[in-house]
Amino acid sequence: DAGVIQSPRHEVTEMGQEVTLRCKPISGHNSLFWYRQTMMRGLELLIYFNNNVPIDDSGMPEDRFSAKMPNASFSTLKIQPSEPRDSAVYFCASRESGSPLHFGNGTRLTVT
Amino acid sequence: SQQGEEDPQALSIQEGENATMNCSYKTSINNLQWYRQNSGRGLVHLILIRSNEREKHSGRLRVTLDTSKKSSSLLITASRAADTASYFCATDALGQGAQKLVFGQGTRLTINP
Repeated sequence: DAGVIQSPRHEVTEMGQEVTLRCKPISGHNSLFWYRQTMMRGLELLIYFNNNVPIDDSGMPEDRFSAKMPNASFSTLKIQPSEPRDSAVYFCASRESGSPLHFGNGTRLTVT
Repeated sequence: SQQGEEDPQALSIQEGENATMNCSYKTSINNLQWYRQNSGRGLVHLILIRSNEREKHSGRLRVTLDTSKKSSSLLITASRAADTASYFCATDALGQGAQKLVFGQGTRLTINP
């Protein structure tokens, strides 16, 4: 089991550019979560999916953020256009219902 | 409302001492989970305690849950330098089909050799 795989590990981009973060959950897990972590706000839940369906996106900060899960083995988080305040570490996590979360190692995003 | 508020925000102790971290939450829960995060890495699950349990042990970890006070504590006994990390609690709230997990700000634990 390779665990939750996120790519890229680091992303540096200029303000206004589109950023796409990718996540491959653990096979067999039916829930997928996207979190954002900063020093100021801690670990924020952005959106989560259950059986590939978005359940709650109330944590998505703005319309610039969108997330998709086209199948059980892949999800993307897109920011368009990116802004410096989007700089953070973005984590993807997956689990079976009622079981603990398994986190990826995150994508460190820097927007200049 | 924010679930899983940890206390203290930071804790620094000597190696060999015990470390206690607390967590408070606001709504009824199915279970409460503790996670650990080393710098630059994702969170790793440590222990899960269900709402009908009061205490649980795993190695040097001891977790208690008081549902009447909506609080939990994590005790690490005989601490080691390698225990230095941030510790988070998260709750699985009742009545939510997909059970989203919301984390607090965490407790940053430093073990001094």
